[in-house]
Amino acid sequence: DVKVTQSSRYLVKRTGEKVFLECVQDMDHENMFWYRQDPGLGLRLIYFSYDVKMKEKGDIPEGYSVSREKKERFSLILESASTNQTSMYLCASSLGGPSGNTIYFGEGSWLTVV
Amino acid sequence: AQSVTQLGSHVSVSEGALVLLRCNYSSSVPPYLFWYVQYPNQGLQLLLKYTTGATLVKGINGFEAEFKKSETSFHLTKPSAHMSDAAEYFCAVIPSGSARQLTFGSGTQLTVLP
Repeated sequence: DVKVTQSSRYLVKRTGEKVFLECVQDMDHENMFWYRQDPGLGLRLIYFSYDVKMKEKGDIPEGYSVSREKKERFSLILESASTNQTSMYLCASSLGGPSGNTIYFGEGSWLTVV
Repeated sequence: AQSVTQLGSHVSVSEGALVLLRCNYSSSVPPYLFWYVQYPNQGLQLLLKYTTGATLVKGINGFEAEFKKSETSFHLTKPSAHMSDAAEYFCAVIPSGSARQLTFGSGTQLTVLP
């Protein structure tokens, strides 16, 4: 089974702190994604990466950055957390190649910024 | 730009009744289509997907969906609801071609009444 692991399920951070959300997948997938989930808005893509050291902006990249130094790991960084970044963050991965490949999700990280 | 519309943010059905969750997409070219389910405090799990071939797609837990190009729809159905089906359901698309990332609808919360 594909496993996408998000290391922190629940975090509480203060406004202005730098926050790292880590994600690891164990299936040698080329593509990795970070989504944000908010009630009534569904999931919105923050960033994605289709290869090591490659990244592309999604729909809502403002206030976020990412890092992919190794194929299995994709980190989301909040340089200076703000209260409007309180949300559920979901990491996902998929094989490269045809875009019909299934995207697998982690269990999510609940971030509260106070 | 690709968009996905899920009609009804909340749907309630009685146990044993038909489940129908609606999804429409906007695209001039048929995309790849997915339904995901999210149980409380968990990530997203793939129910089924349509890429090519047969337009009626069967998924896990007795769910199925039919791709109707003329209606740009991909509605999710299950003949008989179980209490365990209570969850949030997301329709998503990937534009066919080189894009790799999912665009999600805003979700439908399914409640199953005893």
